Amino acid sequence: DTEVTQTPKHLVMGMTNKKSLKCEQHMGHRAMYWYKQKAKKPPELMFVYSYEKLSINESVPSRFSPECPNSSLLNLHLHALQPEDSALYLCASKPSLARTPYNEQFFGPGTRLTVL
Amino acid sequence: AQSVTQPDIHITVSEGASLELRCNYSYGATPYLFWYVQSPGQGLQLLLKYFSGDTLVQGIKGFEAEFKRSQSSFNLRKPSVHWSDAAEYFCAVGARPAAGNKLTFGGGTRVLVKP
Repeated sequence: DTEVTQTPKHLVMGMTNKKSLKCEQHMGHRAMYWYKQKAKKPPELMFVYSYEKLSINESVPSRFSPECPNSSLLNLHLHALQPEDSALYLCASKPSLARTPYNEQFFGPGTRLTVL
Repeated sequence: AQSVTQPDIHITVSEGASLELRCNYSYGATPYLFWYVQSPGQGLQLLLKYFSGDTLVQGIKGFEAEFKRSQSSFNLRKPSVHWSDAAEYFCAVGARPAAGNKLTFGGGTRVLVKP
């Protein structure tokens, strides 16, 4: 199994809703990432998890709350989002935060989020 | 700080013609460079990567890239484009572990293929 899966594919939520995005990989990777991609823009890093611990938070607002309950699963909990948070949310994984970043990140297909 | 520039926002090429996408990077040490492709509404797929060694790198789908340290460039090429190559292409530089092996992407180049 060499893929990263993300659910749901599409999500529409109101500004008062609470929802979660899910990412799963069974490649034994121990580094996992959340990226946000606005339309016609490149992905921007949000969070990095290494061995199930939060390693990097790129100054993301607290209405986004990541969670890594085990080595295969990464969640992104959403609460009180704004319309400008509408974007494609991409999950990625790689074997580990090795001494070199030569090993590539494997990306999932993304969740298309619309905030009304 | 690392950065990547892709000077061309759009490129239109005829099917069967050659393609070259430009990428310039800024990085304080030996760069770790990647090219990813993204089809509409999809995730990113790695085409090829470079860290060291031979400066001409072969990738999937018939793509190759050449690393030129003197020009801080990592341009992507394909000799003969197929209609299925229409997509968004991102060049990226990878950071060290202390920065989470973070990928910094260029702005992307959208490739349109004419029949």
